[in-house]
Order: sequence, then C-alpha cells, then structure tokens
Amino acid sequence: EIVLTQSPGTLSLSPGERATLSCRASQSVNRNYLAWYQQKPGQAPRLLIYGASSRATGIPDRISGSGSGTDFTLTISRLEPEDFAVYYCQQYGSTPLTFGGGTKVEIK
Amino acid sequence: EVQLLESGGDLVQPGGSLRLSCAASGFTFSSYAVSWVRQAPGKGLEWVSAISSNGGRTYYADSVKGRFTISRDNSKNTLYLQMNSLRAEDTAVYYCAREVSASGFFDHWGQGTLVTVSS
Repeated sequence: EIVLTQSPGTLSLSPGERATLSCRASQSVNRNYLAWYQQKPGQAPRLLIYGASSRATGIPDRISGSGSGTDFTLTISRLEPEDFAVYYCQQYGSTPLTFGGGTKVEIK
Repeated sequence: EVQLLESGGDLVQPGGSLRLSCAASGFTFSSYAVSWVRQAPGKGLEWVSAISSNGGRTYYADSVKGRFTISRDNSKNTLYLQMNSLRAEDTAVYYCAREVSASGFFDHWGQGTLVTVSS
C-alpha cells in the first residue's frame, strides 16, 4: 500500500498570498496518477487536479499541480477567500487507492 | 447535472448490519465505475470499495474485506454497500463517488450519509 504524507498539516496565510502544499509518497506513484481534492466543512470533496498536473473542469488557473515519482505539489498562486479549506492528495496508480492525511489552509 | 444521492445511514450497534444506497442521475450510470469513500468524524478520507461499470469486478480495502459487499443495479441507477459485522471504527460519513474512465480518481461525489456504530 502506498502511504501519502501531506505537509504541512496546517498552513496559515492571508488572501493574496501563495500556498504551496506537499504530498510525498512512500513509493513511486505509477504513471504519476496523483489527484488533489478540496474539501470545505460539511461538503463533499471537489476534484481539483488529476494526473499530477491536469486541472479538472472549472478549476481556475491560479491552482496548479506539479511533481512526479514520489514528490508532488499543489500550488495556489494567489489565495482567494474561497480557497481556505482542507486539501487532500490521492494516488490511483495502484490498489488500494489511498489518500493523504490532508493540509488545512486557514486564514492568518 | 450529475447527481449522487446517498441514503441508509443510521445508528447501529456493534456487530449489526446496514445497507447504504446511492441513487445516480444526470449521466449514464452503467458506463461508470463507482466507489464508496468514507470519512470518520474529524479525520481524512479512506477509500472503502469500488465496482466496475457492469458490476463484474469488485475491490475492497483490507479494513472492510469479508464484512462489506458492494453491488449495483444498473436498471435502477443505484449503487449499494451492504455492511455487516459493523465496528465502532466503521463510524463515518460514507460518500459514493464516480470514477473518471475507471481510472481511480473521482470527478463527482454525493453529499454523504452518516453511519454511527455505537451501543
């Protein structure tokens, strides 16, 4: 089973600042099959990124994904009020599918 | 509009059983693999089980293997999760989620249904 470790656990930033979230895998993720989701309180997760760097439909270009192998990054170039949430990475290159523990982006 | 609507969550005693349903609409249900993903209170996401578009292949997390059974009825556009021998650690919100091209990532999620296992 691939274990995904997200860091930091919490990121305290102000609107307009840049957010950099890390997701590290315990072994290489096949074909860079890595997705990112955003979750707000009381809501279901929302797909942001798949294939490590492809944006899902309707996701603004201030949100981007990068990385390969075992190290992946989600970057939000300029935080908007609606970006404060919890973010999860997920690998789907091998079963079982696994998620990281999440990074909370909170308003400083 | 793609919609997934879970139901069936309840309070159940340890060792008990429960069946969850997920009603799909707004897309051709029979063309998509679907999964159950759960989230314990205040915790992260955990993939539970998946089923192929025609129901011929099923997959389970080790934590539920032998206790949970995933199934689907494409004529009713509905996904199911039969949960037996429930434990306190199964307490969670259970989401159904549609897989993109049977790839293993999810582009649409339901709103979730809460299962509480407690005496």
